[in-house]
Amino acid sequence: AQRVTQPEKLLSVFKGAPVELKCNYSYSGSPELFWYVQYSRQRLQLLLRHISRESIKGFTADLNKGETSFHLKKPFAQEEDSAMYYCALKGSGDDKIIFGKGTRLHILP
Amino acid sequence: KAGVTQTPRYLIKTRGQQVTLSCSPISGHRSVSWYQQTPGQGLQFLFEYFSETQRNKGNFPGRFSGRQFSNSRSEMNVSTLELGDSALYLCASSNAGYNEQFFGPGTRLTVL
Repeated sequence: AQRVTQPEKLLSVFKGAPVELKCNYSYSGSPELFWYVQYSRQRLQLLLRHISRESIKGFTADLNKGETSFHLKKPFAQEEDSAMYYCALKGSGDDKIIFGKGTRLHILP
Repeated sequence: KAGVTQTPRYLIKTRGQQVTLSCSPISGHRSVSWYQQTPGQGLQFLFEYFSETQRNKGNFPGRFSGRQFSNSRSEMNVSTLELGDSALYLCASSNAGYNEQFFGPGTRLTVL
C-alpha cells in the first residue's frame, strides 16, 4: 500500500540554521514525490517535485530510492519559511496523490 | 487563469443532515480531486474524478460521494453527517499528465 510518513509534527529551527524536513514513503514501484507548502491563510501549493530537480526558495529535495526517502532541505532558514509542509506521493499510472500528515515548520527569530 | 474555486466557504450543519460542496476547477483541467483536512489526520484523499468518471477512491464510508459534470465542475456530498465530519474539505484540479495539483481555498464544514 502507498504510504507517506512525516515523523515530525512540529519542527522549530532558528533563523539562519539549516532545515531538514523528513519524508519517508512506502511504494513498490517508481513513484513521483512532491513537497507542498501551506503558508498562513494561503492555499496549499506545490513547492517542488523530484523530477524537476530544481531549487525553489532555497529548498531542495533528493529522492533516495534505497532509503525510500525524500527529505526537504534548506541550508539557511528564513522567517518566511514558517509554514505547514506536506510530502506527497503519486504512484505510476495512478492519478491519486497520497499526502503525509504534514510538518509544521516554525522559524525562531 | 482563474484559480480553483469552492463554494460555499463555510458551512454549519447538524448531525444527521446532508451537505453538498461544489468545486470549479481551473479552465481546461479535467481532473478534480477531493481531500479532507483535519489537524489530527492531515490531508486524506477522498476521491478523484476525470471526465465525469470516478477514477480513484480513498478509504471513506459510502456516506461520502461525488460527481463530476461535463464542464469538469465537481460536487461532493456527505449524507447523515457526524461530528467527526467537521473538517476543511479541499478540492484540487490538475491538467491530465502534468501531475501538479492546484488547490482551492477549501470549504470549512462544522457539524454540531
